[in-house]
Amino acid sequence: GENVEQHPSTLSVQEGDSAVIKCTYSDSASNYFPWYKQELGKGPQLIIDIRSNVGEKKDQRIAVTLNKTAKHFSLHITETQPEDSAVYFCAASRRSAKLVFGAGTILRVKS
Amino acid sequence: NAGVTQTPKFQVLKTGQSMTLQCAQDMNHNSMYWYRQDPGMGLRLIYYSASEGTTDKGEVPNGYNVSRLNKREFSLRLESAAPSQTSVYFCASSELQFDNYGYTFGSGTRLTVV
Repeated sequence: GENVEQHPSTLSVQEGDSAVIKCTYSDSASNYFPWYKQELGKGPQLIIDIRSNVGEKKDQRIAVTLNKTAKHFSLHITETQPEDSAVYFCAASRRSAKLVFGAGTILRVKS
Repeated sequence: NAGVTQTPKFQVLKTGQSMTLQCAQDMNHNSMYWYRQDPGMGLRLIYYSASEGTTDKGEVPNGYNVSRLNKREFSLRLESAAPSQTSVYFCASSELQFDNYGYTFGSGTRLTVV
């Protein structure tokens, strides 16, 4: 089955700097890769996703890139702000299958 | 538009007590899920229901049972609570019938077993 590894487990950046979180997956048939943000005391919320027919997707300050050959995908947050501090989860799945989540990354943005 | 609603938000149980966590979604999704989240352990799947009338075990099903009451509702039952079941429980739903889409999560139930 699918296995998703996520790095780093914690990440501290200065406000205004960029943050990058990387995930690798094992199942070459996986074709859907979402990212979730979980704020303290809340449930995870989908912030961006990408499908395997696209190499990059952007939404304002966040972007996701996908390298199918290397089987890894990354979340990029530019111009980080204190409100970006949260736990971020990546996930992967093949068509019509359950998501497999990474272990999460705690992002701290220092002001 | 409520999305996924979980009740209760907080609960304290004594060891051996039973309880049912309720979950309802109003997005007409086919699939529903129960996860637990412990510090440093990410999200672990307990049970899921791919469609109304079906349920399957996830990664950590021991000590739990589920019921897919109808398309909207998916409950999680602890028959005899144990301290190891102290956790935050999340319900989620998604549309998986034809393709993959992101999950919508509820706000969680914080359960403490003493």
